[in-house]
Amino acid sequence: DVKVTQSSRYLVKRTGEKVFLECVQDMDHENMFWYRQDPGLGLRLIYFSYDVKMKEKGDIPEGYSVSREKKERFSLILESASTNQTSMYLCASSSPRFASGRQPIVAGELFFGEGSRLTVL
Amino acid sequence: AQRVTQPEKLLSVFKGAPVELKCNYSYSGSPELFWYVQYSRQRLQLLLRHISRESIKGFTADLNKGETSFHLKKPFAQEEDSAMYYCAPNRPLNAGGTSYGKLTFGQGTILTVHP
Repeated sequence: DVKVTQSSRYLVKRTGEKVFLECVQDMDHENMFWYRQDPGLGLRLIYFSYDVKMKEKGDIPEGYSVSREKKERFSLILESASTNQTSMYLCASSSPRFASGRQPIVAGELFFGEGSRLTVL
Repeated sequence: AQRVTQPEKLLSVFKGAPVELKCNYSYSGSPELFWYVQYSRQRLQLLLRHISRESIKGFTADLNKGETSFHLKKPFAQEEDSAMYYCAPNRPLNAGGTSYGKLTFGQGTILTVHP
């Protein structure tokens, strides 16, 4: 059974603290993602990684960094937490699909973790 | 800018009524489109993708390139359909590219089906 596991379901931190959110997948997926989920705003991509040690900024990377030292693990880091980073954080993974010639491009299905609800006081 | 819009934050229907969740996108080319669903206390999961042209749990979604829409429909809603639904286009790629599956999600629609 496909599994994406986020280490912490609930965290409460104080402003200025450093926060680590960890995500592990057991599907040997190349791609891993971090989203934040906020009511009325949907899911917004923070960072993604398409290979070990490779990362790219998503739509809202400010205030965040990531680390991918091993294929199965993707960590989200808040160097100095702020109250506006209070949110639900979702990790996801997928396997890429390659295009060739006129063949349809099929994006890999995203598999999500259960989420980490972070509250910054 | 590439954008996806789900105009309804909340949608309420009664059991047995038809339901349509709207999604409009503004992408050049031909994106691949998905609907993801999150049931209460469950993780977000794929519901269906337009390329499969399949019906999942009675839901279908037709890509209308002229209107740039990908509305999700079900003729007879059930209480267990109550959930948060997200529309998500995958950016179109030229042949030879690699799809990283970097989806842009809409704002989401909370569907409530009343008994």
